[in-house]
Amino acid sequence: GENVEQHPSTLSVQEGDSAVIKCTYSDSASNYFPWYKQELGKRPQLIIDIRSNVGEKKDQRIAVTLNKTAKHFSLHITETQPEDSAVYFCAASPSGGNTGKLIFGQGTTLQVKP
Amino acid sequence: DTGVSQDPRHKITKRGQNVTFRCDPISEHNRLYWYRQTLGQGPEFLTYFQNEAQLEKSRLLSDRFSAERPKGSFSTLEIQRTEQGDSAMYLCASSHRDRGNTEAFFGQGTRLTVV
Repeated sequence: GENVEQHPSTLSVQEGDSAVIKCTYSDSASNYFPWYKQELGKRPQLIIDIRSNVGEKKDQRIAVTLNKTAKHFSLHITETQPEDSAVYFCAASPSGGNTGKLIFGQGTTLQVKP
Repeated sequence: DTGVSQDPRHKITKRGQNVTFRCDPISEHNRLYWYRQTLGQGPEFLTYFQNEAQLEKSRLLSDRFSAERPKGSFSTLEIQRTEQGDSAMYLCASSHRDRGNTEAFFGQGTRLTVV
């Protein structure tokens, strides 16, 4: 079935350090992989996404890598800041992404200590 | 309003009562999704519409749940005979099919508490 596993569930880093969150997916036909940030009591918001024809994408301090063979993708945040503290969700769009439906991971609570 | 809006933001109901939530997507978006999120978990897909057609429903969506999008604009999600296990955040999202797999924009959700 369609499944996305996300690790770790919690991550605590010192301000300025890097943070890495990893996800694996089960449906090899998945072709779209967004990452969402959700602050307490707020809606999930897209921070970066990657499509299956690309191995890496970067946007300022945030980067995402994709390994289609291993069905892994990862979020990298460099030079973390306290405002990066939130819950991060990875997701995959299964079955070729024709529906836009997303299967989400369980989330990672990131705490950046000043 | 340029975002996805949901109403109400919070709903407390007694077990066994029926509840209905509304979602207004971004106006030019033809796809609309409902997700359910429980504490400490990621959103779980419930159902999706393309225009007014409901094209997929999760097995999580029991027969007590029904969703409509009558004119291809706003959508409603009704839960009949609510149970305590229905307590969750119900999120709506929208996207535009013709732009391929583009960003799904989420609403702020309706938090349901069944007592």
